[in-house]
Amino acid sequence: KAGVTQTPRYLIKTRGQQVTLSCSPISGHRSVSWYQQTPGQGLQFLFEYFSETQRNKGNFPGRFSGRQFSNSRSEMNVSTLELGDSALYLCASRTLPSREETQYFGPGTRLLVL
Amino acid sequence: AQSVAQPEDQVNVAEGNPLTVKCTYSVSGNPYLFWYVQYPNRGLQFLLKYITGDNLVKGSYGFEAEFNKSQTSFHLKKPSALVSDSALYFCAVRDMTNYGGSQGNLIFGKGTKLSVKP
Repeated sequence: KAGVTQTPRYLIKTRGQQVTLSCSPISGHRSVSWYQQTPGQGLQFLFEYFSETQRNKGNFPGRFSGRQFSNSRSEMNVSTLELGDSALYLCASRTLPSREETQYFGPGTRLLVL
Repeated sequence: AQSVAQPEDQVNVAEGNPLTVKCTYSVSGNPYLFWYVQYPNRGLQFLLKYITGDNLVKGSYGFEAEFNKSQTSFHLKKPSALVSDSALYFCAVRDMTNYGGSQGNLIFGKGTKLSVKP
């Protein structure tokens, strides 16, 4: 099976712009989560989607949003970019949003905000 | 609040020697624990998890982890380290606080950089 794929892999934006990142989960996985990784804050949970519904949300401002499509693919959007949004954004998928289910991560999208 | 701690920022090991990467956790109820590894410029790769059952969990690439409830620890181990094991290792616990335990995001430790020298 193909793993989790994320596009684009690298992105450079300027402050004030918006950005959309895409994630395709492993085939058969219906739950998609997003995490932000920075050197200072480490790995932090953004949100999780299942059946096109946001099921769980981390402590991030409203500038961060996401959605999930009927084929389980997910996008996250960051509006009005700030320098502090520079990070590696990781997408993870699992079959169901169940406590036992393992989440498998994609390679990430590295976002640089100038 | 639920949390996980990795007390060592870096662990240095000689190739062929056993390695241990430490992790302690704080949760209410039964923990669901995970180990992931991250190579430079890559995402996280799943190594193993503890859900229930045997305290010794075997995972990918020869890694294993020992769950110790009394010490609230879940240390990652490998009997004989390889240079290719050099990477960043993350311990994580399932967050069971907010959504009735049926879902839950992962709470990660800060990571431990493992360096294996030839």
